[in-house]
Amino acid sequence: QAQLVQSGAEVKKPGASVKVSCKASGYTFVGYYVHWVRQAPGQGLEWMGCIKSNSGGTDYRQKFQGRVTMTTDTSVGTVYMELSSLRSDDTAVYFCATTEWLSAAFDIWGQGTMVTVAS
Amino acid sequence: EIVLTQSPGTLSLSPGERATLSCRASQSLSSNYLAWFHQKPGQAPRLLIYTASSRVTGIPDRFSGSGSGTDFTLTISRLEPEDFGVFYCQQYGSSPPTFGGGTKVEIK
Repeated sequence: QAQLVQSGAEVKKPGASVKVSCKASGYTFVGYYVHWVRQAPGQGLEWMGCIKSNSGGTDYRQKFQGRVTMTTDTSVGTVYMELSSLRSDDTAVYFCATTEWLSAAFDIWGQGTMVTVAS
Repeated sequence: EIVLTQSPGTLSLSPGERATLSCRASQSLSSNYLAWFHQKPGQAPRLLIYTASSRVTGIPDRFSGSGSGTDFTLTISRLEPEDFGVFYCQQYGSSPPTFGGGTKVEIK
């Protein structure tokens, strides 16, 4: 069964960085786009950006430009999302999701990674 | 960016009833690239419908999507207990992809 497996929950202090991983299980997402979407507690869904898993080409939402970095390690079939200069309002569940091409519905999602930013 | 407005915010219905959810876009969506998701607490969203009206394999036929341009609808013909939760629409034809604020379907 195709699924995405994300790294575990993180607790960070304001100003720190967090790096979340996303790995395909049951399929290979080489050539796919991997998107990152976050959801603050009790809130809706917000797209942060995406990376093409083989080329490493990225497209970041303007809001996160300068703070987010998405990378890919094809040797282990894993994509990473790093968010820096964390603030309390970055507290959210972070999801990865894949699409075969850029304009496609997000059909496979990871289980989510809770990131808590607190002093 | 394209803003999606979902209504109503909350729908209180009983199992077996029909649910009609609306999603309105601030501008016409290219190729009707509009998806619907269902999310239960503590879970990732699950894709139900893509390109406005195409049902994902394995999704029951009580779920149907319709609409074009700026106005879209998700209809659940007869609610089952497992259908309760939050439904989101998303447009993915224009960057950045954006989501509506969600419609919560709760048990009456």
